[in-house]
Amino acid sequence: QQQVKQSPQSLIVQKGGISIINCAYENTAFDYFPWYQQFPGKGPALLIAIRPDVSEKKEGRFTISFNKSAKQFSLHIMDSQPGDSATYFCAAERGGATNKLIFGTGTLLAVQP
Amino acid sequence: IAGITQAPTSQILAAGRRMTLRCTQDMRHNAMYWYRQDLGLGLRLIHYSNTAGTTGKGEVPDGYSVSRANTDDFPLTLASAVPSQTSVYFCASSDYPSGGEQFFGPGTRLTVL
Repeated sequence: QQQVKQSPQSLIVQKGGISIINCAYENTAFDYFPWYQQFPGKGPALLIAIRPDVSEKKEGRFTISFNKSAKQFSLHIMDSQPGDSATYFCAAERGGATNKLIFGTGTLLAVQP
Repeated sequence: IAGITQAPTSQILAAGRRMTLRCTQDMRHNAMYWYRQDLGLGLRLIHYSNTAGTTGKGEVPDGYSVSRANTDDFPLTLASAVPSQTSVYFCASSDYPSGGEQFFGPGTRLTVL
């Protein structure tokens, strides 16, 4: 079963717009929620991450919003740029030093100039 | 600093053949991982190793084996390749047990005919 559900599968946004990608999880033992960015032909790279003790984390144009009661978290990309065009993966890790990430299925973002 | 290197970059393999994908890291991370990436399925963990000399099974371990003789190297072996193992394979590493960011290699694109 998919423990981390991600939507949408693909997203087209105009330059300057806001990109929003959503993820939902089931296991309340998860305590680390990263977002990875992947460009074509490259490996994923950590973009931003959050732990459930805060509801929001912002780094530049990228913000994670976290709703613990709803078991949902989302990535917001403000002022989206063509260079943001990539595949984005949300993920979750269970506490207890397992270091094992469960990934969502990915969102292909295209930012049109 | 190279980070993580993977070899080969791509490979076409006949079904039934044995294949070893190589992964080397120079960050002295304790933990290493192998994922496969398939369209619509995201990244799925095949095997992992928290420290040299230990390995564990991930979500999709069948048909794959790993070894961890030292800190730097973590080869993935397909003993008898099947077409369903056609995928892009990523190696990653991280600190253990502190967890957090996983660093990914550039990937190996494997086609099994």
